[in-house]
Amino acid sequence: GESVGLHLPTLSVQEGDNSIINCAYSNSASDYFIWYKQESGKGPQFIIDIRSNMDKRQGQRVTVLLNKTVKHLSLQIAATQPGDSAVYFCAENRGGTYKYIFGTGTRLKVLA
Amino acid sequence: DAGVIQSPRHEVTEMGQEVTLRCKPISGHDYLFWYRQTMMRGLELLIYFNNNVPIDDSGMPEDRFSAKMPNASFSTLKIQPSEPRDSAVYFCASSLTGPGPQHFGDGTRLSIL
Repeated sequence: GESVGLHLPTLSVQEGDNSIINCAYSNSASDYFIWYKQESGKGPQFIIDIRSNMDKRQGQRVTVLLNKTVKHLSLQIAATQPGDSAVYFCAENRGGTYKYIFGTGTRLKVLA
Repeated sequence: DAGVIQSPRHEVTEMGQEVTLRCKPISGHDYLFWYRQTMMRGLELLIYFNNNVPIDDSGMPEDRFSAKMPNASFSTLKIQPSEPRDSAVYFCASSLTGPGPQHFGDGTRLSIL
């Protein structure tokens, strides 16, 4: 994929620090959420998902938090590494369909 | 295992020409999706198939766009005639039965002059 926009919000983080990327979703009926990572010249890559009956899910170095009350999703990356530099998207899915609505993305820059 | 394979990776053509983008999904995946990504609109779903049948094409921008899936291992997205505003990166993705992660190809970067 290419750069998705000149005006993407950017998060700059020191290598080794934790990163938190936020996403506000649009539909209270959405019941499944995915975080994707997109590196330059590549397609979005699945990182972690969460269903609406959970409020937290952990993977390797990543944690997703879901707050349905305020329709907010966050991705936490522990001990951020240079290889984590990419654009991160959240995607929401409404039950009963296979249509995903993607957020606009956040660019993560890891500073050495 | 091979991921989703798209071809060509880059396409540059003049307006008015027909453009055909190709996709091979992951073997065993029942769902195939075509997306378009632009700076202005982000990632947009164009159409998706289930078991080779088009289910929802409401995202297809105009009649100039068409998509087919003649078998479980191949899909095409065609633009005829192409226009400069069609310039974008087009992604194909596939997924197993049921809502779940979609696996994306690396896209076709299309430039219409």
